[in-house]
Amino acid sequence: SQQGEEDPQALSIQEGENATMNCSYKTSINNLQWYRQNSGRGLVHLILIRSNEREKHSGRLRVTLDTSKKSSSLLITASRAADTASYFCATDAGGNNRLAFGKGNQVVVIP
Amino acid sequence: DAGVIQSPRHEVTEMGQEVTLRCKPISGHNSLFWYRQTMMRGLELLIYFNNNVPIDDSGMPEDRFSAKMPNASFSTLKIQPSEPRDSAVYFCASSSTSGGGNEQFFGPGTRLTVL
Repeated sequence: SQQGEEDPQALSIQEGENATMNCSYKTSINNLQWYRQNSGRGLVHLILIRSNEREKHSGRLRVTLDTSKKSSSLLITASRAADTASYFCATDAGGNNRLAFGKGNQVVVIP
Repeated sequence: DAGVIQSPRHEVTEMGQEVTLRCKPISGHNSLFWYRQTMMRGLELLIYFNNNVPIDDSGMPEDRFSAKMPNASFSTLKIQPSEPRDSAVYFCASSSTSGGGNEQFFGPGTRLTVL
């Protein structure tokens, strides 16, 4: 079953602004991952944060994890038009190496 | 590495026809996943394999859908007979249980249209 739920569902921002999206989940996890999907393409893994980590950075991406609230946030700083995509969070609570993906969060960066 | 390879990229068929989607996972990956994505239902896990063995096929919509993984480098998803409501983008993904992380690597997808 799908566990991650992103919020907000759609976001439209100007180039250069920051974009923040949140994800909540229901059960205990070992790690949480964020993926990006450009229109017409497969999902691409962005970043993984383990349950014992609170914050992680990768380039212009910053991910936080609050296991007490069962939530995570993805921040994209200094957004670019190329960041226009859908962003999914996924948790590994399903076991057996499977992931439970959220419904996705569409981000549009206006040049 | 070429990444996950899927074929065909696009398939248009008529209702009642058999459809076979193919996937070649990344070499060395021991888990393979089939997903379906639609606007209405989002990304759905249909079935996944570990070491070529089907682990959970509870996401397969009905008996018209079947999947096989005869070896570590090839998997098929078959729909017989196809129906218009099967129209979707079908993704294959692979991952490795070694290394601690379980990031999934997705193929480009097969866009299926059933008329």
